[in-house]
Amino acid sequence: QVQLQESGPGLVKPSGTLSLTCAVSGGSISSSNWWSWIRQPPGKGLEWIGEIYQSGSTNYNPSLQSRVTISIDKSKNQFSLKLSSVTAADTAVYYCARMPGAIGVTYFDYWGQGTLVTVSS
Amino acid sequence: EIVLTQSPGTLSLSPGERATLSCRASQSVSSSYLAWYQQKPGQAPRLLIYGASSRATGIPDRFSGSGSGTDFTLSISRLEPEDFAVYYCQQYGSSPRTFGQGTKVEIK
Repeated sequence: QVQLQESGPGLVKPSGTLSLTCAVSGGSISSSNWWSWIRQPPGKGLEWIGEIYQSGSTNYNPSLQSRVTISIDKSKNQFSLKLSSVTAADTAVYYCARMPGAIGVTYFDYWGQGTLVTVSS
Repeated sequence: EIVLTQSPGTLSLSPGERATLSCRASQSVSSSYLAWYQQKPGQAPRLLIYGASSRATGIPDRFSGSGSGTDFTLSISRLEPEDFAVYYCQQYGSSPRTFGQGTKVEIK
């Protein structure tokens, strides 16, 4: 059973950089799957941030592309999210998720429990 | 970007009743690359349906999905107490991946 676990600071200052890591267990991050970040502002809906494949190939949401970097660390079986120049609008629960298959045209089948990141001074 | 509009916003039903949730896309979703998720308070979303009509592993058969093109439906044949939650549709046929705004199924 694949499990994902997000970790990182729960509080980030405005204009700073949000950094989160997703640790994958029960399977290899080098397998034929894509790995994604999704966020959910308090009381609101879901927004896809971006995705990465084991090769390092990435796709980002155009609405966030200028501020987002997703990277992968195969040696640690984890992938990471960096979001720069954050504002209060970036306050949300951040989820990592797996997208099965190598093609990338696929759904989110395993999710982390989510971590709340608050942007505030 | 494909915009997904879910209706109704809230559905008030009693246990044992049938629930019908709608998801309409602003343009055709290629190859029925549409999924449905269930989310309960304080929890991550759970995959219910992918490919518009295929149930995910472990999902009871009271959940069913249908539709193609721009109109999709999630049906719950007989609501169980644990089914009261928020449901989201999501398209993955094109980038950016997008979600609907959600339908809350609440106890009447």
